[in-house]
Amino acid sequence: GAGVSQTPSNKVTEKGKYVELRCDPISGHTALYWYRQSLGQGPEFLIYFQGTGAADDSGLPNDRFFAVRPEGSVSTLKIQRTERGDSAVYLCASSPDRLQETQYFGPGTRLLVL
Amino acid sequence: AQKVTQAQTEISVVEKEDVTLDCVYETRDTTYYLFWYKQPPSGELVFLIRRNSFDEQNEISGRYSWNFQKSTSSFNFTITASQVVDSAVYFCALIFSGGYNKLIFGAGTRLAVHP
Repeated sequence: GAGVSQTPSNKVTEKGKYVELRCDPISGHTALYWYRQSLGQGPEFLIYFQGTGAADDSGLPNDRFFAVRPEGSVSTLKIQRTERGDSAVYLCASSPDRLQETQYFGPGTRLLVL
Repeated sequence: AQKVTQAQTEISVVEKEDVTLDCVYETRDTTYYLFWYKQPPSGELVFLIRRNSFDEQNEISGRYSWNFQKSTSSFNFTITASQVVDSAVYFCALIFSGGYNKLIFGAGTRLAVHP
């Protein structure tokens, strides 16, 4: 079946602009995660959704970052007033509705803030 | 604190050599899960294995094998007879029971397999 998809694959924006990154999880997966991967590092957790609600948003770096999943499927990560330090690959993953289940990752969105 | 350490930043081998990637983890939880993911140059993280803390049996899948030792908090990954297609960054990761489903990743080991 189809895997996790993310759009756009690449996004270039200017400092101060607003961006939205989209994630479409594997069909039937109720859990959805966002991670951020900086160059040369491992992915870092941002937020975890169980259904429509954010079960854990402890990884969001500040209030410029926000994510939604209004219908329990597609999720959007929103970044306001982007800064150069936000440049990274943003990864989305999904998993079935069980704790500590395997997370399957999408190809990521490479964000570059100029 | 929960932490995953992959001390080897880069490893370079010649094709057909065996190579072991080290992973050491820290957690106070007795229930946890360990994972290995592969990230080829294309960038997508590919799941390789999931192991829970109560199952210390080693596992073999083709040329891949994993050695889990709770006594040393290690979950090492061995590739036998490496191939050029094995070239990638490999990540070890941990989920602990008190952390919901948050994956904690190591910094990764870049493996280069040369012909």
